[in-house]
Amino acid sequence: DQQVKQNSPSLSVQEGRISILNCDYTNSMFDYFLWYKKYPAEGPTFLISISSIKDKNEDGRFTVFLNKSAKHLSLHIVPSQPGDSAVYFCAAPDYGKLTFGQGTILTVHP
Amino acid sequence: EAQVTQNPRYLITVTGKKLTVTCSQNMNHEYMSWYRQDPGLGLRQIYYSMNVEVTDKGDVPEGYKVSRKEKRNFPLILESPSPNQTSLYFCASSPRRAGNNEQFFGPGTRLTVL
Repeated sequence: DQQVKQNSPSLSVQEGRISILNCDYTNSMFDYFLWYKKYPAEGPTFLISISSIKDKNEDGRFTVFLNKSAKHLSLHIVPSQPGDSAVYFCAAPDYGKLTFGQGTILTVHP
Repeated sequence: EAQVTQNPRYLITVTGKKLTVTCSQNMNHEYMSWYRQDPGLGLRQIYYSMNVEVTDKGDVPEGYKVSRKEKRNFPLILESPSPNQTSLYFCASSPRRAGNNEQFFGPGTRLTVL
C-alpha cells in the first residue's frame, strides 16, 4: 500500500518557466511533509517542508502548497533553472518512520 | 565537515555471503535510518533508530539487521544476501528523534548480489 504517491515519473520544462511537481497521500494522520532533491551519484538533500497547519510555505524559488482536503501537495519552482534538473521526492513522517513517494525526474531545458 | 559516510560505496557479492555496510555520522544526531532505492519504487525505509540501543523496523526490513551500539554508527547487516537485495542503499541521520525534520543522507552504496 503506497501511502505517498508521485504519479508523474518525469517532467520536462523550459528554463525560466514554472515547474510543478505533484504528490498525493492516503494517510490522513500525516501532519508534516518534506521534499527532497537528488542528483545522480549523490544522496538526497532536503529542499523544503510544510506542516499541516499551513497551506503554503515559500523559500526563494521554491513553494510548497498543501491541500489537506484533497490529500495533495505540490512543489512549485519558479523560475526553473537547468541546475534544478534532478529527481524530486516527497516524503511524510509518522513519528520515526518516513515514507517517500516514487520520485519525479525533472529536466529543465536551456 | 558535517557528514554521513557509508562504506563501501560499491560492492558486488554472491548469494549467501554475509556482508556489512557501515554508516557513520559526525553530527551527534540521535536519529539514524537506512533506505533502499529501486527504480519505480522510490526510497523505502529498511530500519531506523531513535537512539542508542533503540531500533525499529521500517517498511522493508526482511533480510536485514541493524545495530546501534554507539551514537555515531549504524551498520546495515545482510546475513544471507539474495539477488532481490541488489539495490542502492542510503543511510541518513537527523538531529531529533522524531522523523519530521530534515534528514542528512550519505552518498549511497550500490550493492549487487549475484
